[in-house]
Amino acid sequence: AQKVTQAQTEISVVEKEDVTLDCVYETRDTTYYLFWYKQPPSGELVFLIRRNSFDEQNEISGRYSWNFQKSTSSFNFTITASQVVDSAVYFCALSEENTGFQKLVFGTGTRLLVSP
Amino acid sequence: EPEVTQTPSHQVTQMGQEVILRCVPISNHLYFYWYRQILGQKVEFLVSFYNNEISEKSEIFDDQFSVERPDGSNFTLKIRSTKLEDSAMYFCASMSGSYSGNTIYFGEGSWLTVV
Repeated sequence: AQKVTQAQTEISVVEKEDVTLDCVYETRDTTYYLFWYKQPPSGELVFLIRRNSFDEQNEISGRYSWNFQKSTSSFNFTITASQVVDSAVYFCALSEENTGFQKLVFGTGTRLLVSP
Repeated sequence: EPEVTQTPSHQVTQMGQEVILRCVPISNHLYFYWYRQILGQKVEFLVSFYNNEISEKSEIFDDQFSVERPDGSNFTLKIRSTKLEDSAMYFCASMSGSYSGNTIYFGEGSWLTVV
């Protein structure tokens, strides 16, 4: 079974639309961290957010917001008023206490295409 | 903002050749990593390194791979005899290790093409 599932392989939107990228995770640890990384066409991995398992407060950063729900093991990412520069592959990732938080397990990524 | 730097950004090598990928982690970080991403696939963990030794490695990290921190700043990944299937983007990463610092920061990647 996948520890991190990103069921959406690719999403296409038109600029200014809102878009939500889904992430479902699986862990037996009570302490863990969840992450989102952005991989633009240039290839680097850009850290966006980290959330620990004890903090279910939703977070907003500009046009980005994250919804963490332990009850459904989900950590979804919403981009409001999308822009062409948001086009990238977005990865959700998990690190667990049983690995000493030493190992990130990535989902398969969601490719977001924002057209003008 | 401090960042992880990697060299080379792209390397083409012949099958069977040795390759060394170099990384300079963020200066006050204590944990170092290599990850790999085959084209179009997800990012996979290779190895973690702490206190001058490997702390964990994946099944991908076989005897062909080795890591080293030869001085206080560099962290290298060596592939002894490259295979076609080693073609991938290799990411170096580091983490500070403090309680509030459990974020792994990645470099821009080294794209390895084995021909």
